[in-house]
Amino acid sequence: GAGVSQSPRYKVTKRGQDVALRCDPISGHVSLYWYRQALGQGPEFLTYFNYEAQQDKSGLPNDRFSAERPEGSISTLTIQRTEQRDSAMYRCASSPGRASYNEQFFGPGTRLTVL
Amino acid sequence: RKEVEQDPGPFNVPEGATVAFNCTYSNSASQSFFWYRQDCRKEPKLLMSVYSSGNEDGRFTAQLNRASQYISLLIRDSKLSDSATYLCVVTQTGANNLFFGTGTRLTVIP
Repeated sequence: GAGVSQSPRYKVTKRGQDVALRCDPISGHVSLYWYRQALGQGPEFLTYFNYEAQQDKSGLPNDRFSAERPEGSISTLTIQRTEQRDSAMYRCASSPGRASYNEQFFGPGTRLTVL
Repeated sequence: RKEVEQDPGPFNVPEGATVAFNCTYSNSASQSFFWYRQDCRKEPKLLMSVYSSGNEDGRFTAQLNRASQYISLLIRDSKLSDSATYLCVVTQTGANNLFFGTGTRLTVIP
């Protein structure tokens, strides 16, 4: 079956612009996570949803970052007024259940470059 | 202090060698433990969960020491295809997000 998909795969934007990154989780997966990964580092948690409810957004760096999952499936991570320090790989993951021992399946990521 | 600490390597080993990676975690309330594998320019994928009693999957053995807050991964009879970055991952009680280490890079040399 299809895995997690993300779009766009690459996004280049100018400082100050808003960007929206999309995640399509595996069909039927309850939980959806957003992470950010810098080069040479492991992914860093941003936020997660169970169904449409945002359960934890403690990892969002500041209020320019927001996420939604209005129908409990596709999710969008929005970054307003982008800054150069926002440049990174943004990864989405989904999981079939809510328990922490469930495997998380990662998407290919969106590489964001802010000029 | 980081939640999960790993030696970034790189580890360069010959085919057939045995190699071990270690990591430590800072929060004693950590609940679930994993090793994920990440190939160059790819997404992380679950390699194996780590159980308190230790567990083995073919050439891979994972160990957990809760008292020392220490996790290990042993790879026996290394193959060229084992070349990747190995990420130590934990979750904490009451939270489902994963805390990743920086990863340890392994290169298996012919």
